Amino acid sequence: RKEVEQDPGPFNVPEGATVAFNCTYSNSASQSFFWYRQDCRKEPKLLMSVYSSGNEDGRFTAQLNRASQYISLLIRDSKLSDSATYLCVSNHQTGNQFYFGTGTSLTVIP
Amino acid sequence: EAQVTQNPRYLITVTGKKLTVTCSQNMNHEYMSWYRQDPGLGLRQIYYSMNVEVTDKGDVPEGYKVSRKEKRNFPLILESPSPNQTSLYFCASSSWGSGTDTQYFGPGTRLTVL
Repeated sequence: RKEVEQDPGPFNVPEGATVAFNCTYSNSASQSFFWYRQDCRKEPKLLMSVYSSGNEDGRFTAQLNRASQYISLLIRDSKLSDSATYLCVSNHQTGNQFYFGTGTSLTVIP
Repeated sequence: EAQVTQNPRYLITVTGKKLTVTCSQNMNHEYMSWYRQDPGLGLRQIYYSMNVEVTDKGDVPEGYKVSRKEKRNFPLILESPSPNQTSLYFCASSSWGSGTDTQYFGPGTRLTVL
């Protein structure tokens, strides 16, 4: 079983829509969680870390549910520039290794 | 400018011909890592290093070597490349703390092994 699993999509949504991605992780020892954004053929870039209490950064909200072992990303008021692949990432208690999901593809349509 | 650089960006080689992909960061980061990205498999960690002279295997270390002789550099070595190592490779670095620190990625190296 993969450490981190995501629905690959694609998600095609109109501008202004709200879209949510979920990601599940298999190892209860996972300690830290992140969402990265990757544009086509480019390097991943950190979108936001995910904290136990949930956190928000502008139009983006991340939530962590340890009991069900999933994290989520909510994007409100989608912009064309949000079109990208979103990668869910976890790392273990030791903090040494990182596990990436295969990514969820989002296209925001005018 | 804070950055992670990788060279070369593109490389086509033949089976068995040793190659090295360089990675350098100018942020004085302790942690450095190599990943490969393949369609349907996502990014998988090859090796990582928590500091100079400290390296550890990630999920897919077979066929790769690394070294960390200086803090800023973390080269990836393929002693005898094979076609299944054709992939997109990323180097990343982060300031070591609780594991919650941002990883900064290089621009990637697209490797084709014929």
